[in-house]
Amino acid sequence: EAGVVQSPRYKIIEKKQPVAFWCNPISGHNTLYWYRQNLGQGPELLIRYENEEAVDDSQLPKDRFSAERLKGVDSTLKIQPAELGDSAVYLCASSLDTRTEQYFGPGTRLTVT
Amino acid sequence: AQTVTQSQPEMSVQEAETVTLSCTYDTSESDYYLFWYKQPPSRQMILVIRQEAYKQQNATENRFSVNFQKAAKSFSLKISDSQLGDAAMYFCAYRSPEEAGANNLFFGTGTRLTVIP
Repeated sequence: EAGVVQSPRYKIIEKKQPVAFWCNPISGHNTLYWYRQNLGQGPELLIRYENEEAVDDSQLPKDRFSAERLKGVDSTLKIQPAELGDSAVYLCASSLDTRTEQYFGPGTRLTVT
Repeated sequence: AQTVTQSQPEMSVQEAETVTLSCTYDTSESDYYLFWYKQPPSRQMILVIRQEAYKQQNATENRFSVNFQKAAKSFSLKISDSQLGDAAMYFCAYRSPEEAGANNLFFGTGTRLTVIP
């Protein structure tokens, strides 16, 4: 069974540029999560989807971050414009539902210069 | 939000020896879940072991076991017979019970484990 797939694995952009990350969850997993992991820290939740609905986006900086999960499968996380402080690893995870184990993807390492 | 504290930024262990990683947490909930995740350089978080707070028995998974002290809000991970492949960042995480309606994980800051050949 394929795991959570994320792309790209690495991204380097200049500040003020836009960037997007893509996540394909495990087949059949209804719940999808985006986390941000700053250097030397643990992951912090940005947004959680149940099917196509964003049910917890309280930690998502809405002035520059947006996310979507069309058709309740793949998801895209966008930053526009990027700032130096956005440099981090962005992790996607999925689970069958809100009660079951989360499986993580390999993450996207973003560097903003 | 719940807080999870890992007070050991780095630990090292000799191959085949035993090491214990510490974790404490703060919560007002009586029922919850605790996890240890491993993050190798590939960055993929891998679940090592989980503990349900309502279970008194400590969870074990092959060479990995936990010491869960609910009253002290402590959740340490013991790795026995350490192997080179155990070298990674280890994160302790907390999750509220299903009744709370959320499955959000709260992570500590991690402990980097080095295994010395």
